[in-house]
Amino acid sequence: QVQLQESGPGLVKPSETLSLTCTVSGGSISSYFWTWIRQPPGKGLEWIGYIYYTGSTSYNPSLKSRLTISVDTSKNQFSLKLSSLTAADTAVYYCARGNYGDAFDIWGQGTMVTVSS
Amino acid sequence: EIVLTQSPGTLSLSPGERATLSCRASQSLSSSFLAWYQQRPGQAPRLLIYATSTRATGIPDRFSGSGSGTDFTLTISRLEPEDFAVYYCHQFGSSVRTFGQGTKVEI
Repeated sequence: QVQLQESGPGLVKPSETLSLTCTVSGGSISSYFWTWIRQPPGKGLEWIGYIYYTGSTSYNPSLKSRLTISVDTSKNQFSLKLSSLTAADTAVYYCARGNYGDAFDIWGQGTMVTVSS
Repeated sequence: EIVLTQSPGTLSLSPGERATLSCRASQSLSSSFLAWYQQRPGQAPRLLIYATSTRATGIPDRFSGSGSGTDFTLTISRLEPEDFAVYYCHQFGSSVRTFGQGTKVEI
């Protein structure tokens, strides 16, 4: 079955850029929406943005100026880059597959990212 | 941007009772584009319902969804111990997706 796995640093310094990758295994990244979602400690879910396998994207307006989501179909991966980090970006970051329109039917386990000097 | 408002914030119930969770959208939404998730502590969210009322694979039939326009509801007919968790609604009717703030169902 399809599985998603996030990878990237657990600790990043303020003002730096966060780079995360989501590897899709057990299926092809072609078709579907591929999404990043985050959850600050003790808080709710925040949609970050998606990329369609063709490369088209949509971003959360509050993050758009700092955000890039890309896809590498040859590696079955998609990635997030978020720049100019502050403590407010500290969160668990999830990747997810959008299906049935864009309901998130498969999630990664999540990776905790802490922004601190 | 479509804002989703969930109520109540917390629902205190006992096992065996019925839970009714509300999700209100700031503008009318096609029923095809509304989903519900369950999140247990320390776990990733799990898709329960999509297209307002279709249960995802493996979801027991005590979970049901309904609604249209701006008002949507998730109902758990008889709460099992494993159902005490946080529930989120999610819309994908616009290019900017959004989640509700969550409803915690506690014992």
